[in-house]
Amino acid sequence: DTAVSQTPKYLVTQMGNDKSIKCEQNLGHDTMYWYKQDSKKFLKIMFSYNNKELIINETVPNRFSPKSPDKAHLNLHINSLELGDSAVYFCASSQRPARGNYGYTFGSGTRLTVV
Amino acid sequence: SQQGEEDPQALSIQEGENATMNCSYKTSINNLQWYRQNSGRGLVHLILIRSNEREKHSGRLRVTLDTSKKSSSLLITASRAADTASYFCATDEVPSEKLVFGKGTKLTVNP
Repeated sequence: DTAVSQTPKYLVTQMGNDKSIKCEQNLGHDTMYWYKQDSKKFLKIMFSYNNKELIINETVPNRFSPKSPDKAHLNLHINSLELGDSAVYFCASSQRPARGNYGYTFGSGTRLTVV
Repeated sequence: SQQGEEDPQALSIQEGENATMNCSYKTSINNLQWYRQNSGRGLVHLILIRSNEREKHSGRLRVTLDTSKKSSSLLITASRAADTASYFCATDEVPSEKLVFGKGTKLTVNP
């Protein structure tokens, strides 16, 4: 019954590899997001998709490519991983505009460690 | 866009006491939201206050918003050890509609 699920939970990989993180939401939300949380707990938005259309694309290296096959899924593919990519990546979803008291629903995160 | 600033960065109180966290931001907003993050977990949405609202309550939480000062506060009354977590404010910015997070306040409630 998990509302926003992302896999894998942990990912340890070597520099230079390519990896993907998958995210799915079953809330019927129309917008999904990827956030990066660094070691100091700073959360920064990376991408946002609304009904499969890219609407926010922050200054992120083009090694990061999001893909949204449908409005319930938003995957993140990372090419040529670097040490600095090590972080926790969170997927989230929401309905836009915000309805009532509802904010974003976050997944539990993917801890990526590049060695 | 610049992140908001929470104050204090860390707060340690005894169970039963009230905890107040403040947030300042720089841009125009649609709404301001507060989230909780337990160690090693995802963020949980606590409360949303719209730009035309001044105060909102939810259980033991009270949020205020002063758009003229671009600031908000989160009050947790009668704190419990289970409230130990990091608390983040997030602003839904105009016109970008990005949700921009502050740096967080780490709250420790001692039993």
